[in-house]
Amino acid sequence: NAGVMQNPRHLVRRRGQEARLRCSPMKGHSHVYWYRQLPEEGLKFMVYLQKENIIDESGMPKERFSAEFPKEGPSILRIQQVVRGDSAAYFCASSLTARTTNEKLFFGSGTQLSVL
Amino acid sequence: KNQVEQSPQSLIILEGKNCTLQCNYTVSPFSNLRWYKQDTGRGPVSLTIMTFSENTKSNGRYTATLDADTKQSSLHITASQLSDSASYICVLPSMDSNYQLIWGAGTKLIIKP
Repeated sequence: NAGVMQNPRHLVRRRGQEARLRCSPMKGHSHVYWYRQLPEEGLKFMVYLQKENIIDESGMPKERFSAEFPKEGPSILRIQQVVRGDSAAYFCASSLTARTTNEKLFFGSGTQLSVL
Repeated sequence: KNQVEQSPQSLIILEGKNCTLQCNYTVSPFSNLRWYKQDTGRGPVSLTIMTFSENTKSNGRYTATLDADTKQSSLHITASQLSDSASYICVLPSMDSNYQLIWGAGTKLIIKP
């Protein structure tokens, strides 16, 4: 049973380009969370999705960022017109059920985005 | 004001030694407190999840304690190994959301041979 798979592991983009980050949750998991981590800082929540639905996107910038989790295929975090400040590690996590008291999150290895 | 504060920021110890990492929090009330281990370049991995009624929880050489009165938690690592070198992160649920977690900045632990 493969864990949470993220690709690519490393992504380099020039300012103004688009970045697409992919996340395949653990088998059987229908809840996906995206986090961003800057060097020497804690993870920051971005968005929580269930299949075909965005449940909570309060941590995601209103402009240039979007996320989806289609019925088939991986969850996608899309960043349009990237800027240098978008450079960070982006982690995806999945869980079996909605976040409850003892729900464990399983994380992927992350995508390191570098904007030149 | 940060709701989860961890100390020390970094720690270097010799292989085989024990160490204790601290977490102070202001989140209240809370349903659970978690400790995660994050290797460099990897995603976090859950070590323990404690409810507010639990005082201690162990996972192998890792033992987490919780004092809800003083709002402190600690993670004790026994007989450290080189593979313990990582960041250790204290995490609590946000008061403002059913889905969000508040992540500490972590303690970076380096084990030297």
